[in-house]
Amino acid sequence: DTGVSQDPRHKITKRGQNVTFRCDPISEHNRLYWYRQTLGQGPEFLTYFQNEAQLEKSRLLSDRFSAERPKGSFSTLEIQRTEQGDSAMYLCASSPPAGRAFDTQYFGPGTRLTVL
Amino acid sequence: GQNIDQPTEMTATEGAIVQINCTYQTSGFNGLFWYQQHAGEAPTFLSYNVLDGLEEKGRFSSFLSRSKGYSYLLLKELQMKDSASYLCAVRPTSSNTGKLIFGQGTTLQVKP
Repeated sequence: DTGVSQDPRHKITKRGQNVTFRCDPISEHNRLYWYRQTLGQGPEFLTYFQNEAQLEKSRLLSDRFSAERPKGSFSTLEIQRTEQGDSAMYLCASSPPAGRAFDTQYFGPGTRLTVL
Repeated sequence: GQNIDQPTEMTATEGAIVQINCTYQTSGFNGLFWYQQHAGEAPTFLSYNVLDGLEEKGRFSSFLSRSKGYSYLLLKELQMKDSASYLCAVRPTSSNTGKLIFGQGTTLQVKP
């Protein structure tokens, strides 16, 4: 297993366009998280999936943001009508089921979004 | 509310020891994590504390005092490759999803 992967690594788009990012978690990790990180700040939680169920969404996740994990494996994060304020690094993390020794979150390399 | 504080920047010399402090105020506590993040890369897990005391892992150690809402990460025998951002993160009990609340990160510069 090569860890959490994310695609694309970089995305440049014009304001108003829609973008979609993909995350492939570590196999057998049923928990998946999306975070957003801006320059000089720590990651901020966006949303959480346990298997295919989206169990928590941050208030940071406006109506323009939607995330899915249709088969409990990979996940997608879509941003509609992008704004310049959406420019950030979008990080995906996965962790094993709760109850293991400790469910450390393992992060992917992130997708850097630039909105012009 | 949730608040995690850590210094913004630190500088240390190669071969020396550096301590990065983190204080937190969160809605409950269910573990504290330290991550290392090199510029443009993903955060990588360094250490985990849920009980008071010191956890040692090679050149890295992490300490927790739950009563004081305080942790530190100790890096020994600093190497140039240790230049990175160090993120303190707390898992609050206010959420049962395991989400992490991160501090802003401490950028450590190691000089020769």
